[in-house]
Amino acid sequence: KAGVTQTPRYLIKTRGQQVTLSCSPISGHRSVSWYQQTPGQGLQFLFEYFSETQRNKGNFPGRFSGRQFSNSRSEMNVSTLELGDSALYLCASSGGFVGGRFADTQYFGPGTRLTVL
Amino acid sequence: AQSVSQHNHHVILSEAASLELGCNYSYGGTVNLFWYVQYPGQHLQLLLKYFSGDPLVKGIKGFEAEFIKSKFSFNLRKPSVQWSDTAEYFCAVSPNAGNNRKLIWGLGTSLAVNP
Repeated sequence: KAGVTQTPRYLIKTRGQQVTLSCSPISGHRSVSWYQQTPGQGLQFLFEYFSETQRNKGNFPGRFSGRQFSNSRSEMNVSTLELGDSALYLCASSGGFVGGRFADTQYFGPGTRLTVL
Repeated sequence: AQSVSQHNHHVILSEAASLELGCNYSYGGTVNLFWYVQYPGQHLQLLLKYFSGDPLVKGIKGFEAEFIKSKFSFNLRKPSVQWSDTAEYFCAVSPNAGNNRKLIWGLGTSLAVNP
């Protein structure tokens, strides 16, 4: 199976702009989660989508939003970019809820490196 | 608030030395526990996981971890490290509470193994 893919791999934007990142999960996976990774804060959960519905959300401002399409592909949007949004944005997919528990392994993509100038 | 604490931020070892990386979490309920590894230039990948059953879990490449519920800990161990184990190691916890599916991550431990 092909792994999780993310596009673009690198982005440079300026403050105030907006950006859209894309994630294609492993075929058959219905759950997609997004994370922000920075040296100081580590990995922080942004949100998780399952079957086109946002099922969980982290503590990020409303400038961060996402969606999932019927083919499970997901996009993440950040509006009004700030310098502090510079980070590696990771997408992970999993098979979903199994036996009543979040038991599946998450498979990560290579990430999108966003630099805000 | 739920959190995960990794005690060692940077570890330097010589080959054949034993490794133990600490991980503690704060959550009173049932949890799923994970260790992920990120080798230089590669994706995050699962090293091992604990959901239930035997608290001693074996993962890939000779790694193992022990879940001690009373201590809220899930320490990672390897009896003899190799240069190829040089990587960033992340502990993550998923509270098993209804639809709460988010992974809470530690800040990571950077391991450098000298040949």
